[in-house]
Amino acid sequence: QVQLVQSGAEVKKPGASVKVSCKASGYTFTGYYMHWVRQAPGQGLEWMGWINPNSGGTNYAQKFQGRVTMTRDTSISTAYMELSRLRSDDTAVYYCARDSSSWGSPIYYFDYWGQGTLVTVSS
Amino acid sequence: DIQMTQSPSSLSASVGDRVTITCQASQDISNYLNWYQQKPGKAPKLLIYDASNLETGVPSRFSGSGSGTDFTFTISSLQPEDIATYYCQQYDNPPLTFGGGTKVEIK
Repeated sequence: QVQLVQSGAEVKKPGASVKVSCKASGYTFTGYYMHWVRQAPGQGLEWMGWINPNSGGTNYAQKFQGRVTMTRDTSISTAYMELSRLRSDDTAVYYCARDSSSWGSPIYYFDYWGQGTLVTVSS
Repeated sequence: DIQMTQSPSSLSASVGDRVTITCQASQDISNYLNWYQQKPGKAPKLLIYDASNLETGVPSRFSGSGSGTDFTFTISSLQPEDIATYYCQQYDNPPLTFGGGTKVEIK
């Protein structure tokens, strides 16, 4: 069965960076784009971007350009999202979510999600 | 960015009631709209894709309709396990954007 297992909660100081991992199992990791979505406490969902695990190509939401880096390690079927220059309003649960399409380009709906990783930014 | 306006932001209904949620896009998004259900402390779950297609395994009491700028999500007969927050999401134009959510409670 498809599973996305994320790394544990993090507490960071303003200005620091955080790197969240998402280990995939139960399917061909390189066959599906991976998205990252975040949710601030009590708030809605915010899309951050995607990575193509096959090529390593990325597409970031403009809001996060320059601060976010999405990478992958195909040898261990794991995607990563690193966010730098953290601010207090980056406090959120960060989710990885698999794109539903296996056709080589994303179709932007998400059929499997990780359990979420809470990142708290506080001095 | 395309703004997605959901209404109502919350509702309370009885078991067995028909529940309707609307989502309005700030511009024409054709049928590039999905609906998700999120239960407290859990990740969202895809229910409807392309405005009206039921995801595999999702009960048939859930449905979606609409195109262009106006969309509707319906639960035909509310069940206790449907207590959750529901989100619409457009993917016509990046960045993908979500509605603000509708919290559904049992009366």
